[in-house]
Amino acid sequence: GDSVTQMEGPVTLSEEAFLTINCTYTATGYPSLFWYVQYPGEGLQLLLKATKADDKGSNKGFEATYRKETTSFHLEKGSVQVSDSAVYFCALKGATNKLIFGTGTLLAVQP
Amino acid sequence: GAGVSQSPSNKVTEKGKDVELRCDPISGHTALYWYRQSLGQGLEFLIYFQGNSAPDKSGLPSDRFSAERTGGSVSTLTIQRTQQEDSAVYLCASSQIGNTEAFFGQGTRLTVV
Repeated sequence: GDSVTQMEGPVTLSEEAFLTINCTYTATGYPSLFWYVQYPGEGLQLLLKATKADDKGSNKGFEATYRKETTSFHLEKGSVQVSDSAVYFCALKGATNKLIFGTGTLLAVQP
Repeated sequence: GAGVSQSPSNKVTEKGKDVELRCDPISGHTALYWYRQSLGQGLEFLIYFQGNSAPDKSGLPSDRFSAERTGGSVSTLTIQRTQQEDSAVYLCASSQIGNTEAFFGQGTRLTVV
């Protein structure tokens, strides 16, 4: 069945460092891919999405490119801020419309 | 509605009691999802509705858990004879069919004492 595998955390970075959180998937067909973020004490919200191969989703300085050849959707940001500290979830929505999440990656950014 | 609404926001119940958690999705959203998030953990899939039917209920942990959806709208997740390990935040999300994102409610924090 469809699945998502993402980088284990926690990830600890200094402010202004470069961030990569790896995400790979297994799915039949052409799923849509998402990154959700959960800030401390808050609910899940969509960060960015991509619906077809080679699409790049971007928001708040974060980017992720849908790579069909490597079945990946890695999240990147050039310069993280303390306010980016949160849990990040990679997810896919396949042909059955079931929304499948990775295990989440905790990011802690230190000043 | 403007967003996904879940009620109650907090529920404390005694072990062995039954609880009902409600989810009111965004109007027009055909798909509805239930997840469970334990403290510091990821999202555990419970069940997914398309309209009023549940194509995938594989995540329900035991037969104490059940869910229904009526009128293609409101969904209720019922936990019978609650146990302490049922304590978690129960999240509901809804989406349109297709490659659109899901929107989450704020969750119901269930504590079984």
